[in-house]
Amino acid sequence: DTAVSQTPKYLVTQMGNDKSIKCEQNLGHDTMYWYKQDSKKFLKIMFSYNNKELIINETVPNRFSPKSPDKAHLNLHINSLELGDSAVYFCASSPTGLTGELFFGEGSRLTVL
Amino acid sequence: AQRVTQPEKLLSVFKGAPVELKCNYSYSGSPELFWYVQYSRQRLQLLLRHISRESIKGFTADLNKGETSFHLKKPFAQEEDSAMYYCALSGGSNYKLTFGKGTLLTVNP
Repeated sequence: DTAVSQTPKYLVTQMGNDKSIKCEQNLGHDTMYWYKQDSKKFLKIMFSYNNKELIINETVPNRFSPKSPDKAHLNLHINSLELGDSAVYFCASSPTGLTGELFFGEGSRLTVL
Repeated sequence: AQRVTQPEKLLSVFKGAPVELKCNYSYSGSPELFWYVQYSRQRLQLLLRHISRESIKGFTADLNKGETSFHLKKPFAQEEDSAMYYCALSGGSNYKLTFGKGTLLTVNP
């Protein structure tokens, strides 16, 4: 099944913990992204990577560290989780960085208690 | 800077009625505009893009550069159109798709 897949789908954790969300795409795309969707359903870009290189970092706190071991994977590690980090995190990929056609994962719902 | 504004958070219409979801943008260059849709319990997916000038599921959207708008329209709404709709803008070579805040469309029977 060709797609963008994220794990885990749900994550509940305590404030101060460190957690990771993994993303993999088997579409052969060059560019991958992380978006954050807050409680009001606002979608905001966090990072974009092209061929494993960081292209966009949208003033995201240093506690968030993306890692792209290869162009098919883009993982998101979050240190010292805060209540405000609770959101749905979407991974996406696109064949190039310019077309605007993104293929999204199903999202990972993070709840920080 | 690029910005997308969707003035309506919620839009409710009856089945068979026309529907228009508004989108305005701000961008100094030549933008590419898109509409994305998220049905309940499904992933966000591309609905249509202005370059294609196509009709998808009965929806159309025309880019109006004078009014900096890209409104999504459908003449006769169906219940299965109920979803969250996002307008998005891609500009330049910055690998960034900027989304509006979304409009939740509910089509009532």
